Amino acid sequence: AQSVAQPEDQVNVAEGNPLTVKCTYSVSGNPYLFWYVQYPNRGLQFLLKYITGDNLVKGSYGFEAEFNKSQTSFHLKKPSALVSDSALYFCAVYSGGGADGLTFGKGTHLIIQP
Amino acid sequence: SQTIHQWPATLVQPVGSPLSLECTVEGTSNPNLYWYRQAAGRGLQLLFYSVGIGQISSEVPQNLSASRPQDRQFILSSKKLLLSDSGFYLCAWSAWGKARGSGELFFGEGSRLTVL
Repeated sequence: AQSVAQPEDQVNVAEGNPLTVKCTYSVSGNPYLFWYVQYPNRGLQFLLKYITGDNLVKGSYGFEAEFNKSQTSFHLKKPSALVSDSALYFCAVYSGGGADGLTFGKGTHLIIQP
Repeated sequence: SQTIHQWPATLVQPVGSPLSLECTVEGTSNPNLYWYRQAAGRGLQLLFYSVGIGQISSEVPQNLSASRPQDRQFILSSKKLLLSDSGFYLCAWSAWGKARGSGELFFGEGSRLTVL
């Protein structure tokens, strides 16, 4: 069964510093990996995905993620954090179930301090 | 462009009362549709998905049911709510025909249900 783990409940970063939100996965076969962001009391917004190709994937709002097959990781990164990046971030993996259903991690609260 | 609408945004219901949450998608045809539940503002649990009218698959046994009476309409229901049904419910869609796993999900704004 596919699964995804986000080992940090919360990440605190000073504004202007680089940020990393960690994600590891477990799948059988080739992984399809996603990052989503959720602002308070809102739905999730798609940030980026890895299907195949370059290990470094660029997405919305200046975010990028690096796929590392040997470490089974897909960490989300941004070179310079903004206060407006503060939100709940979810890593997800295509679960292999019906349609395009995704299995989500438990989420990581990202807090950017001014 | 495609849009997804979900209502009501907030709902407070007594235990034992019925529930109906509705979701509609505009600007696309034959979407895959999903209901997720998010408990305590954290992880998401897939409840139901549908690949077509009248086709519903359930991921977990529960007190809820789903229906898809029209191509772009997805309804989450319960005959008698439990306290444990409280949570934030999210409807989502993905494009039909995408290679499996390659189509990202597009979420509605969510419905917050409080069962008292």
